[in-house]
Amino acid sequence: SYELTQPPSVSVSPGQTARITCSGYGLPKQYAYWYQQKPGQAPVLVIYKDNERPSGIPERFSGSSSGTTVTLTISGVQAEDEADYYCQSAESSGTYVFGTGTKVTVL
Amino acid sequence: QVQLQESGPGLVKPSETLSLTCSVSGDSISDYYWSWLRQPAGKGLEWIGRIYSSGSTKYNPSLKSRVTMSVDMSKNQLSLKLSSVTAADTAVYYCARDNTGVNIVATIIKSYDYFDPWGQGTLVTVSS
Repeated sequence: SYELTQPPSVSVSPGQTARITCSGYGLPKQYAYWYQQKPGQAPVLVIYKDNERPSGIPERFSGSSSGTTVTLTISGVQAEDEADYYCQSAESSGTYVFGTGTKVTVL
Repeated sequence: QVQLQESGPGLVKPSETLSLTCSVSGDSISDYYWSWLRQPAGKGLEWIGRIYSSGSTKYNPSLKSRVTMSVDMSKNQLSLKLSSVTAADTAVYYCARDNTGVNIVATIIKSYDYFDPWGQGTLVTVSS
């Protein structure tokens, strides 16, 4: 089955830049989306259609796409950004798949 | 602002049917797609399936034989039934609005499908 691969963890100091990658062979043809999930909470959409930011999401969150890899970038990381992040995309069959998840730790 | 709230039994016995309801407030469920997703403790997210307000459905092939989704327009609610549950079905279950459509840029047609917003989730434990 189709898989989206993310690094298990990323560590970053406050004020620095965190980059989280998501790789999948279908990504050139399908949009990618990113969700932030804090402990005990539901996921929250932070990026949609590769690089668009929903209203209310800080400008430090951005997305990009290149070939089979999409990247979520958090510029000027703040302590409140510590969370799990999941990418998501669609399969050609019309079903949906999530990435393996990345835990972002703010040192 | 649309809000979603899942509800249902927190404990289900093995081999029985899990039944959950998602109550939607702040907007009508008409003309939208709605999805159910789940997350076992400490693990990633899994899409279970989606339903349109007309009742048409699409399910995750891995769960298709056990899943039934429906809508109740009069109550503005969605429901999920998962039959023959085992311990592997223990998870937090979420409902979410499924935002879907098509973008046309130049000659490139690309569909989009993402989940926003989500309900707070409800934990279902399968145990005797």
